[in-house]
Amino acid sequence: EVQLLESGGGLVQPGGSLRLSCAASGFTFSRFAMSWVRQAPGKGLEWVSAIGDTGDATYYADSVKGRFTVSRDNSDSTLWLQMNSLRADDTAVYYCAKEGLTVGPSHFDYWGRGILVTVSS
Amino acid sequence: DIQMTQSPPSLSASVGDRVTITCRASQSISRYLNWYQQKPGKAPKLLVYAASSLQSGVPSRFSGSGSGTDFTLTINSLQPEDFATYYCQQSSSANTFGQGTRLEIK
Repeated sequence: EVQLLESGGGLVQPGGSLRLSCAASGFTFSRFAMSWVRQAPGKGLEWVSAIGDTGDATYYADSVKGRFTVSRDNSDSTLWLQMNSLRADDTAVYYCAKEGLTVGPSHFDYWGRGILVTVSS
Repeated sequence: DIQMTQSPPSLSASVGDRVTITCRASQSISRYLNWYQQKPGKAPKLLVYAASSLQSGVPSRFSGSGSGTDFTLTINSLQPEDFATYYCQQSSSANTFGQGTRLEIK
């Protein structure tokens, strides 16, 4: 059974940093790209970042480019999102999501439960 | 960046109804269009991928169609558990979600 478990969320002050983790199990982690998707309270889904299967390729939404860094450890089946210079509008539930295909444009076939990040003084 | 526009933003329907949700891309995305269902406090769930392929385990009353810029999600014979928010997502260039369609009980 595929499982994705996020951790590391919480309350942080504006300008602060936080590192999210996503522990994956139930599939060959090293074969699939992974993404982070967030949802602000009462709002829609926003794709944040993606990383290729080897970790060599990374992609970011304009809203987080230069502030967030995605990385992975295939030996440990773990995905991370380092979030720096956090702003109030980064407040959201952050989901870890698995790509459904190993090549080409894909879809998110499995999602974690999500972890809440609150940026407030 | 590719923008995705869903309509309607909200929809009221009754159990047993047939409903259609539309998603339009700002440029052609071929068939790289996916649909998700989200219930309050839960993670999104994949329903349809590549415009018309039904994800394993999803009831056959859900179906998707379209290509290029115009896509639809159709739900036949609405069931009580179908009342939720639905999102489209393009994966042709990076990833973008539509703003969502909230399906409510009439």
